[in-house]
Parts: sequence; C-alpha cells; structure tokens
Amino acid sequence: DVKVTQSSRYLVKRTGEKVFLECVQDMDHENMFWYRQDPGLGLRLIYFSYDVKMKEKGDIPEGYSVSREKKERFSLILESASTNQTSMYLCASTGGEHEQYFGPGTRLTVT
Amino acid sequence: AQSVTQLDSHVSVSEGTPVLLRCNYSSSYSPSLFWYVQHPNKGLQLLLKYTSAATLVKGINGFEAEFKKSETSFHLTKPSAHMSDAAEYFCVVGWGGIWMIFGAGTRLAVHP
Repeated sequence: DVKVTQSSRYLVKRTGEKVFLECVQDMDHENMFWYRQDPGLGLRLIYFSYDVKMKEKGDIPEGYSVSREKKERFSLILESASTNQTSMYLCASTGGEHEQYFGPGTRLTVT
Repeated sequence: AQSVTQLDSHVSVSEGTPVLLRCNYSSSYSPSLFWYVQHPNKGLQLLLKYTSAATLVKGINGFEAEFKKSETSFHLTKPSAHMSDAAEYFCVVGWGGIWMIFGAGTRLAVHP
C-alpha cells in the first residue's frame, strides 16, 4: 500500500513565525503536491513538484514556498505565518497513475 | 476551462436507503474522474476512478459511479447506506496525472 505521512496532525503557531510542514511518501513517486482545504472551497493546490529540486506553482502559492531535496520528501514552508493561513494542509503523491494518494493532513492554527 | 460542480452541499439519508451524490464537470480534454471520501480528521481516500474504460465504475464499499459524457455527469451511488458511510465526498476531475480540480464537497449524513 502507498503510504504518505505528514509530520504533524495538529500544529499551533503564532503570527509571524516560520512554519515547516513535512511530507514523506514511500512509493518512489515522482510527483508530490501540497493542498490546503477550507470548508466550502474543496482542495486548492499550493505547489507541486515533479522531481527533486523541481517545483511548480499551483493556484494559491502566495505566502508559501516549498523544498524537495530528496525524492521521498516534500516540505511546505510558511515564511511568516498569518491568521489567514489557518487551514487543513494535505500532502499527496502520484507515480504517474491517474489518482493521487493523500496523507492524513495537518491542521494548522495561526494565532 | 475545467471545473467541477457538486450539486448538493449536504445529503441526508436513512440507513438502508439508496445514496445519490451528484457531480457535473466541464473539461476541454478527455478527463479522468474520481470520487474521494474523507472521514472526520482524516486524509482523502480514493473510492473509485474513471479513466476512459468502462463507463460504469465500481469502487470500494459498494459505491459505483456512471460516466455520462452527453450529460457531463459522474454521479456517485450506493444501493443501501450504512452508518459508516457518513463522511464528506469529493468529486474530482483530473488530467495528465497531475492536475486535479476538486469539487467543494458533499457532506453525507446517515440516520438510523
């Protein structure tokens, strides 16, 4: 079974803090994704990566950056957290099949 | 342009009765279509997918969906609801194995 894990299930940070969310997949997938999920809006793509050190902006990249130094690991970085970044963050990966496999999510609260 | 519309934000059924969750899509390309389920505080789990093979797709837990190109629909059904089906369901259109557009979700409530 594909396994996608995320470093934290719940996180509380203060405004202005730098926040790291980490995602690891164990299936040697080329493509990895970060989404945020907000009620009534579904999932929106923040960034994705199709290879080590390669990244592409999604629909809502503002206020975020990403890092992919190893194939299995994809990090989402909030340089200076703001309250409007309070959300559920979901990581996913795919190896070129049509579907994406999701991690359990990190619920981030910025106060 | 690509888009997905889930026609109901909330659906409520009684246990043992049929479930119908409606989804319409718009795509300039030949899409792949998916239904995912999300239980509270969990990630998304794939229920089923359509990738241009059979138009009637069977998924896990007794769910199925029918791709109707003429109606641009991909509705999710189950003959008999179970309490454990209570969750949020997302219809998704995708292409290229990378780009996916998610519907806003339908929250399914199942009553005894």
